[in-house]
Amino acid sequence: KAGVTQTPRYLIKTRGQQVTLSCSPISGHRSVSWYQQTPGQGLQFLFEYFSETQRNKGNFPGRFSGRQFSNSRSEMNVSTLELGDSALYLCASTGTGRGETQYFGPGTRLLVL
Amino acid sequence: QKEVEQNSGPLSVPEGAIASLNCTYSDRGSQSFFWYRQYSGKSPELIMSIYSNGDKEDGRFTAQLNKASQYVSLLIRDSQPSDSATYLCAVIPPNSGYSTLTFGKGTMLLVSP
Repeated sequence: KAGVTQTPRYLIKTRGQQVTLSCSPISGHRSVSWYQQTPGQGLQFLFEYFSETQRNKGNFPGRFSGRQFSNSRSEMNVSTLELGDSALYLCASTGTGRGETQYFGPGTRLLVL
Repeated sequence: QKEVEQNSGPLSVPEGAIASLNCTYSDRGSQSFFWYRQYSGKSPELIMSIYSNGDKEDGRFTAQLNKASQYVSLLIRDSQPSDSATYLCAVIPPNSGYSTLTFGKGTMLLVSP
């Protein structure tokens, strides 16, 4: 099975711009979670989508949003970028059982200048 | 605030020694616990999951869980230089989605030849 893929892998933006990141989960996985990783805060949960619906949400401002398509691919969008949004954005896909393993994609490294 | 605490390290051990990594969590009702390994510049990969009190062994790795003390540990026997990485403890808090992980900030392990 192919793993989780994320595009783009690297991105440079300037403050005030917006960005869209994409994630394709493992075939058959319907849950996609997004995380932000920074040196200071570590890995923090952003939100989770399951069957095109946001099922859980972390403690991030409304500038961070996401969606999921019928083929389980997911996108996350960050509007009005701030310097502090520079981070590694990871998506993870999960099977449908309780306690199922989350498999992480390679991540998108976003730099905001 | 649901928290997962880890010593940031680095934890330095010689090759062949046992590395002991520790994690405490604040939410007593947490049921699912995971250890991920993250190499520099890479995404996290799952090493172990544990759900019941006691020990769980997988090759050179042993996870230990004590829910009464809210403590999870990972032992790595016969440590190898290739084990040098950051080890992330993750917990699924109660009343959270199956795909919602709360991570500690990680412990850096350095194994010297």
